[in-house]
Amino acid sequence: QLQLQESGPGLVKPSETLSLTCSVSGGSISTDIYYWAWIRQSPGTGLDWIASIYYSGYTYYSPSLKSRVTISIDTARNQFSLKMKSMTAADTAVYFCVRRLVRTEIDVFDMWGQGTKVTVSS
Amino acid sequence: QMTQSPSSLSASVGDRVTITCRTSQTIFNYLNWYQQKPGEAPKLLIYAASTQQSGVPSRFSGSGSGTRFTLTISSLQPEDFATYYCQQSYNSWTFGQGTKVEIK
Repeated sequence: QLQLQESGPGLVKPSETLSLTCSVSGGSISTDIYYWAWIRQSPGTGLDWIASIYYSGYTYYSPSLKSRVTISIDTARNQFSLKMKSMTAADTAVYFCVRRLVRTEIDVFDMWGQGTKVTVSS
Repeated sequence: QMTQSPSSLSASVGDRVTITCRTSQTIFNYLNWYQQKPGEAPKLLIYAASTQQSGVPSRFSGSGSGTRFTLTISSLQPEDFATYYCQQSYNSWTFGQGTKVEIK
């Protein structure tokens, strides 16, 4: 059974860079029908897609966050990561790493990590 | 733009519940539904508008295409009290604002 597990700091200071890692177990991150994504959830803005990456390294970014975000993948370690710079209080949220299944007429976030709460505060 | 309604509803065990999601432009069948309970990650219920995810009870069903979609719970069970989200994958990836299903 595939599992995704987020890791990273729970507290980040304003203006600093957030670094999160998602470890994937029970399956290969290099499977060609899957992409890998970060999604965050805050009471104010609901569920927001941040970025996606394919095992080849191809990336997609939310236009509103693109200037501050980098997603990367390490197929040898079966992990993918998120870096978000210039953090502000508005970035306080629960961050989920997610598997995205893509097939003909199907594009869905089918497996989710448990989420990690990130608070931005001095 | 996705509009999910209602934002909340109160229902009793055994009730039939319908949640609607509308989009401003056609998204064909690229519409998915998720259930989220407090403190947990969203769980996939329905994908491609009407296909049940493996392991999801048959009381959950989805329908619609184009710009109007519905999630129906045919007979609400105690474990179904949760928040439900629609999500489109045709033009980037966006979620509805959620529908909280509460006990009446």
